[in-house]
Amino acid sequence: EIVLTQSPGTLSLSPGERATLSCRASQRVSSNYLAWYQQKPGQAPRLLIFGASSRATGIPDRFSGSGSGTDFILTISRLEPEDFAVYYCQQYGSSPGTFGQGTKVEIK
Amino acid sequence: EVQLVESGGGLVQPGRSLRLSCAASGFTFDDYAMHWVRQGPGKGLEWVSSIGWNGDSVAYADSVKGRFTISRDNAKNSLYLQMNSLRVEDTALYYCAKGDYGIPRNNWFDSWGQGTLVTVSS
Repeated sequence: EIVLTQSPGTLSLSPGERATLSCRASQRVSSNYLAWYQQKPGQAPRLLIFGASSRATGIPDRFSGSGSGTDFILTISRLEPEDFAVYYCQQYGSSPGTFGQGTKVEIK
Repeated sequence: EVQLVESGGGLVQPGRSLRLSCAASGFTFDDYAMHWVRQGPGKGLEWVSSIGWNGDSVAYADSVKGRFTISRDNAKNSLYLQMNSLRVEDTALYYCAKGDYGIPRNNWFDSWGQGTLVTVSS
């Protein structure tokens, strides 16, 4: 099973700042099958990115994904108030699909 | 608009059974694989089970294999999870999620329900 390790655990930033979230896999992620989700308190997760870098429908272009192999990055170019949430990466290239433990982006 | 509405959660004693349902609308249900993902209290996301578009292909996490059974009724646009021999560690919010195509392998989850809470406790 592929273990995904997200860092940092918590990111304290101000609105307007740039956020960089890391997701590192214990083995190569096949075909860069890596997704990112956003979850706000009391809500279901929402798909942001699939295929490591493709934005899902309706996702603002301030969200971008990059990386390949074992190292992946989610970047939020300028944080909006609604972006403060927990972010999870997921690899779906190998069975079982696995999630990272999450990175919380909080208001500084 | 895709809608997924879970039901069937509740408080149950260890060793007992529960059946979760997910009613789907807003898309052609039998074109897509469907999935169950759970989230323990204050914890992260854990994939539980997946089923292909026609029900022939299923997969389970090791933690539930042999105890949980996933199924679907395409005529009713519904997904199910039969949970037997429940354990305290199965306590979680259970989400129904839509895959991005018909085969359950290599799916991301593009739509999620709001979840149904399962609490296993004596």
